[in-house]
Amino acid sequence: EPEVTQTPSHQVTQMGQEVILRCVPISNHLYFYWYRQILGQKVEFLVSFYNNEISEKSEIFDDQFSVERPDGSNFTLKIRSTKLEDSAMYFCASSQDNSREQYFGPGTRLTVT
Amino acid sequence: KNEVEQSPQNLTAQEGEFITINCSYSVGISALHWLQQHPGGGIVSLFMLSSGKKKHGRLIATINIQEKHSSLHITASHPRDSAVYICAVPEGGNQFYFGTGTSLTVIP
Repeated sequence: EPEVTQTPSHQVTQMGQEVILRCVPISNHLYFYWYRQILGQKVEFLVSFYNNEISEKSEIFDDQFSVERPDGSNFTLKIRSTKLEDSAMYFCASSQDNSREQYFGPGTRLTVT
Repeated sequence: KNEVEQSPQNLTAQEGEFITINCSYSVGISALHWLQQHPGGGIVSLFMLSSGKKKHGRLIATINIQEKHSSLHITASHPRDSAVYICAVPEGGNQFYFGTGTSLTVIP
């Protein structure tokens, strides 16, 4: 069964550094999403992406964040100048269209020290 | 902004028990998602429903759009059902609001 993959599984970075989290969505899916879950808290929507552009973004997704689909398979989340409070699990998801269920990746745990 | 509330927050059940988890939301929606988060953190989509009822194995999800309420039922619960169950609702086109989750523990 096709699945969403994410790399790395765990990323440790120093405050102020830039990180890129990578996702490979399911190949025939057209909608892509990033979510964040701070330890012990609920999952939060960050951004959705369709047709090579952002279709929705939350208040959390400020200028520090950017997303890109650099080629036909990868979907990346870049966090510039990381802060301690960016430490969280980041989940990527994809769906065939926005009325269908989403498939989630296993997540990347980001630790900012 | 859609306020999503789940109850109970925590639930412990004996193996075999029938389980109900509730979700209510404040703004009308087109569909609601039920997700399962495993102890290791991975998230699996269980259901997406916009009306009535859906069944998958021992899991049943119902939704009442007028009352802005959905329930997830687990029949004949098993220790492997132990997980956090999350409901999520869309707002606008593709933005989602998540409930805080219901942590279920099924004891053998």
